[in-house]
Amino acid sequence: EDQVTQSPEALRLQEGESSSLNCSYTVSGLRGLFWYRQDPGKGPEFLFTLYSAGEEKEKERLKATLTKKESFLHITAPKPEDSATYLCAVQVSGYSTLTFGKGTMLLVSP
Amino acid sequence: GAVVSQHPSRVICKSGTSVKIECRSLDFQATTMFWYRQFPKKSLMLMATSNEGSKATYEQGVEKDKFLINHASLTLSTLTVTSAHPEDSSFYICSAAGERSYEQYFGPGTRLTVT
Repeated sequence: EDQVTQSPEALRLQEGESSSLNCSYTVSGLRGLFWYRQDPGKGPEFLFTLYSAGEEKEKERLKATLTKKESFLHITAPKPEDSATYLCAVQVSGYSTLTFGKGTMLLVSP
Repeated sequence: GAVVSQHPSRVICKSGTSVKIECRSLDFQATTMFWYRQFPKKSLMLMATSNEGSKATYEQGVEKDKFLINHASLTLSTLTVTSAHPEDSSFYICSAAGERSYEQYFGPGTRLTVT
């Protein structure tokens, strides 16, 4: 059974305090790993797709990396507006559906 | 690009009535659309997958006669909650993927409250 586990469940940071969110996965044939950001009461916003181990992608203060077992979302010098729930999802080869982790709720204090 | 809209954003209905939620891809053709349900402080639960012009594929445990999905065009899918009950109250989110993209783009969600 495909599994996606995100840690920590919640993370509180001070503005400027860099950290990383973890997404570990167990799937039979990974097609892609996706990161989304979700604000309260809104739909997820697409951030990154990673397809192969060693791949990295960056967007502003966010950087996503991928290994054969896990992905990290690194947040450099976060700002209060980065506060949100970050969701990780995997897509298995041959399927279009996504399996989501439970998310990490990030709170950045000024 | 890759904008998905949902309508309505919020709806309140009485128990026993039906409610229709629309999902539109505004700037791309969505060959596949997905419907999710999300409970407070929980992750997204896939309800069904639909391809344009085909019957939807429902996940295990989702009642197809209660949650009617129609994907009539490459830009529109609808979810109808029939004979709604208070336990159907939830946040419903759709997503869409184009033919050449594995990436799903999500709508803003619809908050359904059944009284």
